[in-house]
Amino acid sequence: GDSVTQMEGPVTLSEEAFLTINCTYTATGYPSLFWYVQYPGEGLQLLLKATKADDKGSNKGFEATYRKETTSFHLEKGSVQVSDSAVYFCALRELTGGGNKLTFGTGTQLKVEL
Amino acid sequence: DAGVIQSPRHEVTEMGQEVTLRCKPISGHNSLFWYRQTMMRGLELLIYFNNNVPIDDSGMPEDRFSAKMPNASFSTLKIQPSEPRDSAVYFCASSLSFSQETQYFGPGTRLLVL
Repeated sequence: GDSVTQMEGPVTLSEEAFLTINCTYTATGYPSLFWYVQYPGEGLQLLLKATKADDKGSNKGFEATYRKETTSFHLEKGSVQVSDSAVYFCALRELTGGGNKLTFGTGTQLKVEL
Repeated sequence: DAGVIQSPRHEVTEMGQEVTLRCKPISGHNSLFWYRQTMMRGLELLIYFNNNVPIDDSGMPEDRFSAKMPNASFSTLKIQPSEPRDSAVYFCASSLSFSQETQYFGPGTRLLVL
């Protein structure tokens, strides 16, 4: 079945540091890929997405590129802020098969310090 | 514009009691999802509905769990009888349609079963 593997956290960075959170996936078809973010005490919010190979999703300074050859969708940001502290979830949705079912990774906690 | 609304936000109950969690999806959204989040198992999809009809309940852990969607603006997740291992954060999410990819999450209900 489909699966998503994320790097384990927590990831602790200083403000303005470069961020990479690795995500790889296993899928039988042609999935869409997502990054969701969960701030403390809140539900998940869509951060960015990409629907086909070589697409780059971007939002709020974050980017991720859909790499079919390496089955990866790594999240990057050039300069993190304290306000980016949250848990980040990589997810996929299979385009074949039924419906709108997302498969999530386990989440990576990011802590940004001054 | 109101997002997904969940109630209660926090619930503390004793083992054996019935627990009912409620969700109001975003108006006009036709798909609704129930997730459970724990430290051990991460984010798990329990069940999802399209046009008020359950499509996939394979994630419902056991017969103690049941979910209903009597109309387009309301869904419940019931646990009867509750057990300590049911303690988790339960999220409801909705999307515009069965094929529309972006899911919008509610703030969650934090359940503690003593």
